[in-house]
Amino acid sequence: AQSVAQPEDQVNVAEGNPLTVKCTYSVSGNPYLFWYVQYPNRGLQFLLKYITGDNLVKGSYGFEAEFNKSQTSFHLKKPSALVSDSALYFCAGQTGANNLFFGTGTRLTVIP
Amino acid sequence: ETGVTQTPRHLVMGMTNKKSLKCEQHLGHNAMYWYKQSAKKPLELMFVYSLEERVENNSVPSRFSPECPNSSHLFLHLHTLQPEDSALYLCASSQEMAGFNSPLHFGNGTRLTVT
Repeated sequence: AQSVAQPEDQVNVAEGNPLTVKCTYSVSGNPYLFWYVQYPNRGLQFLLKYITGDNLVKGSYGFEAEFNKSQTSFHLKKPSALVSDSALYFCAGQTGANNLFFGTGTRLTVIP
Repeated sequence: ETGVTQTPRHLVMGMTNKKSLKCEQHLGHNAMYWYKQSAKKPLELMFVYSLEERVENNSVPSRFSPECPNSSHLFLHLHTLQPEDSALYLCASSQEMAGFNSPLHFGNGTRLTVT
């Protein structure tokens, strides 16, 4: 079955430090991968996507993600975390039209 | 302003009630979706509409009934729900069917509690 996994329910990082939110995928063929963010009491917002091309993808709010085929990973990163980055982050994958599947989410807390 | 508006924001209903969730998108998109979000679970896709035609029904119990009268509006009619149906229900839209170049735009959700 096609899936993405987010191994960490919770990630804590100090403000100003680099952050990483992990995602691994299990798909056949070429995966299309996404990150979405959910702020408190809000719906999900699209952050970035990997379709093809450069393995390093840049997205909104200074976030980036690196596609690593050998490790089947698509970790979300930011060089310097802000308190306002505290939110729930979802990794998602897609292998065909209307076949979008989400991970379980990782709650990021940035500590002042 | 998300471009996708859901009402109500919160809903408490008994198991014998009938209620409806409403979603409206102001983005000119052609596809609309209902998702169920429960804690520590992946988002569950419930229904997909493309150009007002239902194209996906992921084995959702019949106590949930969607309606898409036009490309801007989507409803989820609820009746005789169970306590395990308590969750955040998210509506989303996309320019075309969730494709690689057509990310989803979500509403803020309706927090449903079934008592």
